[in-house]
Amino acid sequence: AQSVTQPDIHITVSEGASLELRCNYSYGATPYLFWYVQSPGQGLQLLLKYFSGDTLVQGIKGFEAEFKRSQSSFNLRKPSVHWSDAAEYFCAVGPTGGFKTIFGAGTRLFVKA
Amino acid sequence: DAGVIQSPRHEVTEMGQEVTLRCKPISGHDYLFWYRQTMMRGLELLIYFNNNVPIDDSGMPEDRFSAKMPNASFSTLKIQPSEPRDSAVYFCASSASGMSGNTIYFGEGSWLTVV
Repeated sequence: AQSVTQPDIHITVSEGASLELRCNYSYGATPYLFWYVQSPGQGLQLLLKYFSGDTLVQGIKGFEAEFKRSQSSFNLRKPSVHWSDAAEYFCAVGPTGGFKTIFGAGTRLFVKA
Repeated sequence: DAGVIQSPRHEVTEMGQEVTLRCKPISGHDYLFWYRQTMMRGLELLIYFNNNVPIDDSGMPEDRFSAKMPNASFSTLKIQPSEPRDSAVYFCASSASGMSGNTIYFGEGSWLTVV
């Protein structure tokens, strides 16, 4: 069955520190992979996506993610976190040729001064 | 370009009342989705449409919920009668086949409170 797992319900990092949010997926073929961010009281905004090609993808707001097929992972990273990055982050997988995108449970990021 | 537009942004209603949430997808998008987000269940797909036709409504919780898409630029999600457990954020989202590979664009959400 297709699924997305975000192992960390919440993470706290200090401002200026690096960040890595984990995402593992289960899917039978090459998936489309996404990271979305949701700020309090807002909708979900696309950070970045992977379809094919270079396994390291760059997104908005200084985020990047790396697709590792052997580990079925698509972890999100940022070298230096800003207080404004505090939000909830969702990993998602979309089947090729279909439109039932599956979202993970989300990881809430707290940033401390 | 205008994004997905939802109304109302906030609604407080009494149990038993009918609630209608509205959505205007991004122009040119042929897929429309309704999601519900709660603390307990996270983000759930309720139903999605392709070219105004409902494709999968397996996520609709019960018969009190219904969704329609009378044309390419408008959709409604109706709850009748509403119950306190329906309190949640309801997101409408749209996507375009053949472009950006399944990228879904979300509206700002409709925050529903049923008292």
